[in-house]
Amino acid sequence: QSVLTQPPSASGTPGQRVTISCSGSSSNIRSNYVYWYQQLPETAPKLLIYRNNQRPSGVPDRFSGSKSGTSASLAISGLRSEDEADYYCAAWDDSLSGRVFGGGTKLTVL
Amino acid sequence: EVQLVESGGGLVQPGGSLRLSCAASGFTFSNYNMNWVRQAPGKGLEWVSYITSSSNVIYYADSVKGRFTISRDNAKNSLYLQMNSLRDEDTALYYCARDSSDGYFFENWGQGTLVTVSS
Repeated sequence: QSVLTQPPSASGTPGQRVTISCSGSSSNIRSNYVYWYQQLPETAPKLLIYRNNQRPSGVPDRFSGSKSGTSASLAISGLRSEDEADYYCAAWDDSLSGRVFGGGTKLTVL
Repeated sequence: EVQLVESGGGLVQPGGSLRLSCAASGFTFSNYNMNWVRQAPGKGLEWVSYITSSSNVIYYADSVKGRFTISRDNAKNSLYLQMNSLRDEDTALYYCARDSSDGYFFENWGQGTLVTVSS
């Protein structure tokens, strides 16, 4: 049972906009930054969004992050087949004094 | 180019020990905070441990506290994870991950080393 809750799956068609949610609590998402990672099949995770809504250089602006209260979201617009991957949110948890991940969302591009 | 190369994984019996290493290159290792993150087969990511650049602050996930020890040798550009009292549920791919210079999480990742705990 992950501290941060994500839907196990999401899907969309090419060109569509998809959002993935990440639900937490006052000890993690509400009071700390949220990060998003993309893990393509059989590869190491890659940082996608940092500090709620910032993109590292090289990450397309089709990817965006937002946060409100105890929830955060990752939006992917103009969906492409290469976006098919697992997506994870992460944050610091004040109560646990540690970093926590969501359980991950498997995105399928139909 | 930032490179993180993990090693030391393998098959170990329950109750046994293993020491993982992460060799860093392409950046000034002594300036960066580091982490271990693991992923059980077919499962999600789980943060394991964190150590600051000077080793003065260390954190562990509750699941490994008291059994695992993170350390680093800045002269050797290396990060370590000493794992004792291993359990079946410690079976996972263990990643070494570097935080950014600004402190944001897991900016760079290695390819991982597989630890299998089984009798």
